[in-house]
Amino acid sequence: GIQVEQSPPDLILQEGANSTLRCNFSDSVNNLQWFHQNPWGQLINLFYIPSGTKQNGRLSATTVATERYSLLYISSSQTTDSGVYFCAALNNAGNMLTFGGGTRLMVKP
Amino acid sequence: DVKVTQSSRYLVKRTGEKVFLECVQDMDHENMFWYRQDPGLGLRLIYFSYDVKMKEKGDIPEGYSVSREKKERFSLILESASTNQTSMYLCASSLRGDTQYFGPGTRLTVL
Repeated sequence: GIQVEQSPPDLILQEGANSTLRCNFSDSVNNLQWFHQNPWGQLINLFYIPSGTKQNGRLSATTVATERYSLLYISSSQTTDSGVYFCAALNNAGNMLTFGGGTRLMVKP
Repeated sequence: DVKVTQSSRYLVKRTGEKVFLECVQDMDHENMFWYRQDPGLGLRLIYFSYDVKMKEKGDIPEGYSVSREKKERFSLILESASTNQTSMYLCASSLRGDTQYFGPGTRLTVL
């Protein structure tokens, strides 16, 4: 099956800093999703991005499908950005997501 | 807005009990999923369903079964709970090939 790897596993930022999270996947995929898991465990959809770049406020994501990676950019980080960020690759059948191990982000005031 | 709800946020059961976890979605999605999340192991797919009465095994189906009698409802069943099933259980739903939307999760403790 598809393998998904995320880096870095842990990240500590000072409020206001920018960061880039990376997601590598082992095979061609139908799509790529980014999630934020808040401290209460809820997974919140950030981006659904098979290729190209999307932006939503201070967050943006870029997927380069031909090179099998995706990047999540967080600009001007805030303490509320803390939590775990997951990327997940959707298989070509369109029915199964494989998750990476996550990046645990802590933003300090 | 898509809404996925799970029957309990926290649940404590004893070894050997039969446990039902319920998930309901209100967006007429064909696909529904059950995952478990454990520290260091990430999210792993237990079972999914692409239609009423249809089910497919995920990566870790052992010790679990599922039921989908209605399109909006997908149940995860632990026939005889064991301590190694203590975990966070997350339900999700989606249209085929589309974004998955997750419920708030159920933290299950088996004593």
